[in-house]
Amino acid sequence: SQQGEEDPQALSIQEGENATMNCSYKTSINNLQWYRQNSGRGLVHLILIRSNEREKHSGRLRVTLDTSKKSSSLLITASRAADTASYFCATALGAGGYQKVTFGTGTKLQVIP
Amino acid sequence: GAGVSQTPSNKVTEKGKYVELRCDPISGHTALYWYRQSLGQGPEFLIYFQGTGAADDSGLPNDRFFAVRPEGSVSTLKIQRTERGDSAVYLCASSSIGVVGYNEQFFGPGTRLTVL
Repeated sequence: SQQGEEDPQALSIQEGENATMNCSYKTSINNLQWYRQNSGRGLVHLILIRSNEREKHSGRLRVTLDTSKKSSSLLITASRAADTASYFCATALGAGGYQKVTFGTGTKLQVIP
Repeated sequence: GAGVSQTPSNKVTEKGKYVELRCDPISGHTALYWYRQSLGQGPEFLIYFQGTGAADDSGLPNDRFFAVRPEGSVSTLKIQRTERGDSAVYLCASSSIGVVGYNEQFFGPGTRLTVL
């Protein structure tokens, strides 16, 4: 079963614009992660935000987390054609070294050159 | 290469047949995960290995699915009596287990299984 639902399902923007994707989830979490998946290729981990964090940055990526609303957003600034991919949020819950990861349904981003 | 590898990349089989999908994790990674991804969906968890043992197999859909990791490295996902609904991309991931918290999972390119 999918834990998260992403919004929008698909997004098309011009190169240089910012892209914002949202994720809502249902249960408590230890952390939330965002992944990218290019067509025909594997998933790539982008960024992780812990449940006690509210915002995190990595290069052109900015992630926010609101545990009271059970939601997160991923902002990609100054988008590039190479950012075209599907983006998934994934929640992790567990103890110790093992945290079960549950993926959302994904947002398909197209960046038009 | 240093990444997770999966073989075959594509597998076409007939309904009712048996298939095996192989995953070679990153060397030294003790944790290994199998996921299944249907078209237009996110990956769904199937099973997690810590070393040789299946620590969490709660995602296996039924008893036709089975996975092994006999030496704590390579893993094989086995599907008996395949059904058309088993068609999906099967993803494998591995991670190291640190002292505290979560360790990043590194994914392989997947095996696309088509059951005719």
